[in-house]
Amino acid sequence: KAGVTQTPRYLIKTRGQQVTLSCSPISGHRSVSWYQQTPGQGLQFLFEYFSETQRNKGNFPGRFSGRQFSNSRSEMNVSTLELGDSALYLCASSLAFFGRAKHEAFFGQGTRLTVV
Amino acid sequence: AQTVTQSQPEMSVQEAETVTLSCTYDTSESDYYLFWYKQPPSRQMILVIRQEAYKQQNATENRFSVNFQKAAKSFSLKISDSQLGDAAMYFCAYRSAGASKLTFGTGTRLQVTL
Repeated sequence: KAGVTQTPRYLIKTRGQQVTLSCSPISGHRSVSWYQQTPGQGLQFLFEYFSETQRNKGNFPGRFSGRQFSNSRSEMNVSTLELGDSALYLCASSLAFFGRAKHEAFFGQGTRLTVV
Repeated sequence: AQTVTQSQPEMSVQEAETVTLSCTYDTSESDYYLFWYKQPPSRQMILVIRQEAYKQQNATENRFSVNFQKAAKSFSLKISDSQLGDAAMYFCAYRSAGASKLTFGTGTRLQVTL
């Protein structure tokens, strides 16, 4: 069974540009969450999607957005990139939006975004 | 809001020895889950062990076990018979029973020496 796949693995962008990251969850998983990991702030929750609907959102500016498709694949978009957006972006998938611990999160290898 | 604190930025252990990583958390909820994740240099977060708050028994997965003290809001990870492959960042994480969002600690970097 394939794991969570994130593309691309590495990305270099210029300030002011926008970027789209992709996440393909484990087959059958309907919930996808996104996290930003930086040395200074650690791991921070961005948002979560379930059945094409955003269920929860972290404390990030509106430049960060996402969506989920009917096949559960998810994309996140960052517009007007800033230097501080340089980070590892991790995607996690799970069976359901809520519920008991069996619906644990499985992570992808992340996309390393560098803004120059 | 829930918070997770890992007070040990770095730890070192000799191969075959035992090491304990500390984690404390703060919550007003009664139903939640606690996790330890491992992040090796490959960057992929790997679930090590999981503890349901409603269970009094400490979780165990092979060489990994936890000491869950609900009243003290403490959740430590013990790694027995440490192996070189255990070297990684370890993150403690909290999840409310009714949500999928994980709240992470700042991590502990574990070094394993010969």
